[in-house]
Amino acid sequence: QVTLRESGPALVKPTQTLTLTCTFSGFSLSTSGMCVSWIRQPPGKALEWLALIDWDDDKYYSTSLKTRLTISKDTSKNQVVLTMTNMDPVDTATYYCARAAIFGGTHYFDYWGQGTLVTVSS
Amino acid sequence: EIVLTQSPATLSLSPGERATLSCRASQSVSSYLAWYQQKPGQAPRLLIYDASNRATGIPARFSGSGSGTDFTLTISSLEPEDFAVYYCQQRSNWPTITFGQGTRLEIK
Repeated sequence: QVTLRESGPALVKPTQTLTLTCTFSGFSLSTSGMCVSWIRQPPGKALEWLALIDWDDDKYYSTSLKTRLTISKDTSKNQVVLTMTNMDPVDTATYYCARAAIFGGTHYFDYWGQGTLVTVSS
Repeated sequence: EIVLTQSPATLSLSPGERATLSCRASQSVSSYLAWYQQKPGQAPRLLIYDASNRATGIPARFSGSGSGTDFTLTISSLEPEDFAVYYCQQRSNWPTITFGQGTRLEIK
């Protein structure tokens, strides 16, 4: 059974750095083709893809946010960590981690965590 | 960056009716398009991948079609549990990924 769970602070102050951890089970991120991604959703708004790390430790970032994001993995702990620097109130959102697995010939998000709401406020 | 535009923004229908949701890409994404369903307070759920393939456990009333820049999600006969927000997502220019802005399917 595949599960993912996000953890991290519910409240951060402007200019601070956010660190979120995705702890997963039921699959290995060392398996060829497996990836884990972070996606966020401001209240009442659409989904926004942030970053992805793959089985080979290659890392990919949203073009608009790449200067602020770092994604990393600890395969032995089954964890993926996202850091986002210089937080701003517009970064208030529910942050999801999701597994990207190969369907057909490409990757899609087949399992998601329940999400964690992060509020940026002084 | 490929932009996905979904229409309509809101669709009001009754149970038993047919729903047709559209997703248009700013440039061709071949068939590398997925549809997700999101209910309030829940994470999105993968419905359709590669434009027309149902994910595991998805009822047959959900179908997807299209290729290139124009895609459609059809729900043949709406069940009460189908009223939700639907997002399309492309991964044509891997690994850059984009989502559409969503279509809210509400009960009329």
